[in-house]
Amino acid sequence: GAVVSQHPSWVICKSGTSVKIECRSLDFQATTMFWYRQFPKQSLMLMATSNEGSKATYEQGVEKDKFLINHASLTLSTLTVTSAHPEDSSFYICSASGGSYSYEQYFGPGTRLTVT
Amino acid sequence: SQQGEEDPQALSIQEGENATMNCSYKTSINNLQWYRQNSGRGLVHLILIRSNEREKHSGRLRVTLDTSKKSSSLLITASRAADTASYFCATDASGGSNYKLTFGKGTLLTVNP
Repeated sequence: GAVVSQHPSWVICKSGTSVKIECRSLDFQATTMFWYRQFPKQSLMLMATSNEGSKATYEQGVEKDKFLINHASLTLSTLTVTSAHPEDSSFYICSASGGSYSYEQYFGPGTRLTVT
Repeated sequence: SQQGEEDPQALSIQEGENATMNCSYKTSINNLQWYRQNSGRGLVHLILIRSNEREKHSGRLRVTLDTSKKSSSLLITASRAADTASYFCATDASGGSNYKLTFGKGTLLTVNP
């Protein structure tokens, strides 16, 4: 149990365009989802926390107008990188927790974003 | 700043040897977790140890927690080439219900066949 998927697994987009990344909990209801960013050979940096049906809470230094997060259902959260720039190129990972898995976060496989 | 700091940053051993990675943190925690990440992939949860626990085992993994020193260690016994990955500790210090995790910088473990 506790499977989290992400789509797409990788995406290349042009500068100025927007990209949407989906995060789904496949076999449990995720009351909370987290979005992380990871640069090469570095650790995960929490970007925001989203609870189903409410606005996301962003970490300090993360632009909420640039990284739009929607958690419309208990199994789906989306991260939209708006007006992407090359410096937004990174590995984006989501995680989900909830229900009987409330103490643990289960991570998706990540999405590699490259902005050209 | 990072809550968790792992050392060493990189560790290279031979198959069959044991690997020990350490993690230190700065504030009081509810629990500490260890994760594994293969290159370019997502994280796999390995083990969670609560603040009132001192040691936990899972297969070839042994985790210790010393809250007085604010440190934890992950021991992988009888290592295999397939254990090659980055290992991260993550602490949950949140007071609410969101269980927000703060990750350390990670240890890159290479197990040579």
